[in-house]
Amino acid sequence: ILNVEQSPQSLHVQEGDSTNFTCSFPSSNFYALHWYRWETAKSPEALFVMTLNGDEKKKGRISATLNTKEGYSYLYIKGSQPEDSATYLCAVMEASKIIFGSGTRLSIRP
Amino acid sequence: SAVISQKPSRDICQRGTSLTIQCQVDSQVTMMFWYRQQPGQSLTLIATANQGSEATYESGFVIDKFPISRPNLTFSTLTVSNMSPEDSSIYLCSETDRNTEAFFGQGTRLTVV
Repeated sequence: ILNVEQSPQSLHVQEGDSTNFTCSFPSSNFYALHWYRWETAKSPEALFVMTLNGDEKKKGRISATLNTKEGYSYLYIKGSQPEDSATYLCAVMEASKIIFGSGTRLSIRP
Repeated sequence: SAVISQKPSRDICQRGTSLTIQCQVDSQVTMMFWYRQQPGQSLTLIATANQGSEATYESGFVIDKFPISRPNLTFSTLTVSNMSPEDSSIYLCSETDRNTEAFFGQGTRLTVV
């Protein structure tokens, strides 16, 4: 059974500060890694889909890196804003299904 | 991208009853997935809904408790049977192509009393 782990479980950050969190996964049978943002009362929204070792992707103030050989990905948020408050989910696609980590719950303090 | 309409958005149900959740996709998709998020937990895959065949259940989930239908390539239902308070969760349907991100329904927030 594929086990996707995220840390930390929750994070409180001052507005304007930068932050990052981690997703780790078994490096065998890897097909793709996804990052999602899930706001309360909304559907999870995809941020990035990454497949290649060394991939780096960026969307505005948010970026992510991928290391498939050692089995981890980092998500970075630069200059946190209140609207960044959400749960950030990492998911790994293997074969024909996606397995999610437990998420990092991010709260931004104004 | 796919648009998935899921309903109901929330419900409060009596223990021992059953609730059927529906998901309608605006395009034909091969596989649909059903997830559950219990309070404080991660998104857990319940089963993969395959069109024309029985659903494939993950460890810890059984067809008698969570029967799934997939009558065509745009629609699926999940039934939560004989509910207990432990079934109180957010239930999400999803679809994905191997090469793209997953798209989700809006979720069903179920409370069993």
